[in-house]
Amino acid sequence: QSVLTQPPSASGTPGQRVTISCSGSSSNIGSNTVNWYQQLPGTAPKLLIYSNNQRPSGVPDRFSGSKSGTSASLAISGLQSEDEADYYCEAWDDSLNGPVFGGGTKLTVL
Amino acid sequence: QLQVQESGPGLVKPSETLSLTCTVSGGSISSSSYYWGWIRQPPGKGLEWIGNIYYSGSTYYNPSLRSRVTISIDTSKDQFSLNLSSVTAADTAVYYCARGEVVWNGFDPWGQGTLVTVSS
Repeated sequence: QSVLTQPPSASGTPGQRVTISCSGSSSNIGSNTVNWYQQLPGTAPKLLIYSNNQRPSGVPDRFSGSKSGTSASLAISGLQSEDEADYYCEAWDDSLNGPVFGGGTKLTVL
Repeated sequence: QLQVQESGPGLVKPSETLSLTCTVSGGSISSSSYYWGWIRQPPGKGLEWIGNIYYSGSTYYNPSLRSRVTISIDTSKDQFSLNLSSVTAADTAVYYCARGEVVWNGFDPWGQGTLVTVSS
């Protein structure tokens, strides 16, 4: 049982916009920023979004993040086949004194 | 560009201790700006934070694993290590090492991961 709650799956067609939600509590998302990771099949997770809505160098602007209260979301616009991956949200938890992850969302590009 | 790389045995017997090392290259492990962390992922499942260590040796562990985990750091070798004692099949996972900023902005970069199987 993950501390942050994500839908297990999401899907879209090429060119479409999809969003993935992430729900937490006051001790994590409610009081700290949210980060998102992309894990392509058979590879290590890669930081995709940090500090709610910042993209590391090299991440396309098709990926965007937002946060409101104790929830956050990742949006992918202009969906491409190479976006098919698992996506994880993560936030620092003040009670744990460490980061907590969502259970992950498997994105399928139809 | 900083890189991290895990190393260690891929097979550990039940009740024994899992030991892994993460080697940092392209940068110093002694920076005051970063934590160094371990994360694991059981096959087909999600990510679980194990713990972080600061260059000074200060450690922060996931309470669910705290009784069995020790993370240490060797700044002279730019390495940090994970020991997980009394392992069971439930500890079978891909283990990742990664860097995280003290002003938390997530883990980046990550190592490629190493699969550790607990089996007799």
